[in-house]
Amino acid sequence: GENVEQHPSTLSVQEGDSAVIKCTYSDSASNYFPWYKQELGKGPQLIIDIRSNVGEKKDQRIAVTLNKTAKHFSLHITETQPEDSAVYFCAASRQAAGNKLTFGGGTRVLVKP
Amino acid sequence: GAVVSQHPSRVICKSGTSVKIECRSLDFQATTMFWYRQFPKQSLMLMATSNEGSKATYEQGVEKDKFLINHASLTLSTLTVTSAHPEDSSFYICSADQRGLGTEAFFGQGTRLTVV
Repeated sequence: GENVEQHPSTLSVQEGDSAVIKCTYSDSASNYFPWYKQELGKGPQLIIDIRSNVGEKKDQRIAVTLNKTAKHFSLHITETQPEDSAVYFCAASRQAAGNKLTFGGGTRVLVKP
Repeated sequence: GAVVSQHPSRVICKSGTSVKIECRSLDFQATTMFWYRQFPKQSLMLMATSNEGSKATYEQGVEKDKFLINHASLTLSTLTVTSAHPEDSSFYICSADQRGLGTEAFFGQGTRLTVV
């Protein structure tokens, strides 16, 4: 089955700096890669996703890149703000809907004011 | 966006009792719902996949007789933890896929179960 590795497990950045989280996956058939933000005591919220036919996607301060050959994808957050502090999870699946997601281990991001 | 609601958000039960958690898709039909378990400071682990009108598919290591899943309609799936033990204390989260649209899964807000 799919295995998703995520690094780093914790990340502390100064407000205004950028944060980068990296994930690798093992199943070459995976073609959907979402990123979730989870705040304490809440369910995960989708912040951005990318499909295998795209190499990069951006939404305001958030961007995701995908390298299918190397089987890795990354989340980039620019101009970080204190409210970006949360746990971020990457995930992979064989399709967006109807297929189970395999999650990475999570990255606890702390943005220091 | 689509909304998935879980109830209750928190529950405390005594060892040996059963507790039911509901997952509802409020404004869309969900052919498939997923149930995850998350222990403190850990990732989400898939427990089972629930398809409307059929038996749930459980992940390896998840006891189907202990974690009963029912997906009786396109908007409701329930997870019943039977004969709960303290080690079942965890954060249980459901997600639902929007039928026919191929969009991403939408997650509920989670249920914190504490077994005492």
